Amino acid sequence: GQQLNQSPQSMFIQEGEDVSMNCTSSSIFNTWLWYKQDPGEGPVLLIALYKAGELTSNGRLTAQFGITRKDSFLNISASIPSDVGIYFCAGPNSNSGYALNFGKGTSLLVTP
Amino acid sequence: DSGVTQTPKHLITATGQRVTLRCSPRSGDLSVYWYQQSLDQGLQFLIQYYNGEERAKGNILERFSAQQFPDLHSELNLSSLELGDSALYFCASSVAAEETQYFGPGTRLLVL
Repeated sequence: GQQLNQSPQSMFIQEGEDVSMNCTSSSIFNTWLWYKQDPGEGPVLLIALYKAGELTSNGRLTAQFGITRKDSFLNISASIPSDVGIYFCAGPNSNSGYALNFGKGTSLLVTP
Repeated sequence: DSGVTQTPKHLITATGQRVTLRCSPRSGDLSVYWYQQSLDQGLQFLIQYYNGEERAKGNILERFSAQQFPDLHSELNLSSLELGDSALYFCASSVAAEETQYFGPGTRLLVL
């Protein structure tokens, strides 16, 4: 399948700091998705990107669809304790019914 | 709340047994996906149904099967369970195959 590599694997930051994480792929994607998962819960969609170069915001979250269509970035500004969780990038595989390929996730810890 | 429901929330069973996980998609969604999440493999696509028909298969074992009923709810059947089948199982739904997927809260399966 199409591999998605997320970095960093984990981040430990202080409340108020900005956060940046990224996702790269060996293949081109036509859509990039960012999900957040809290412990014991299902992934929740944060941002969906549909066009190369697109920059989309959702509150304090901003994500970009890379020009090469092989990468995407997620930034969180002024982090708060409830931002704690695992952030996943995902891309649909058109050869497999648009099932999602997921990265391994970035685990975010925020201290007050 | 994504609108996708899954039951049961937790399931504890023994090796060799068979279990059925149930998923109700969001109202109006025709496509249902099943994913498995384990610590070592991350989120992996298992199988997709669209309007009652199997559409795509991922890394699904032969011991596992699924179906989607006329009312669009779906069931994932896991048989001859092994210790390694212990994982979180998520269902996701979308309006159509290429549309954004929304995840349910998951079923946590523990095989003893």
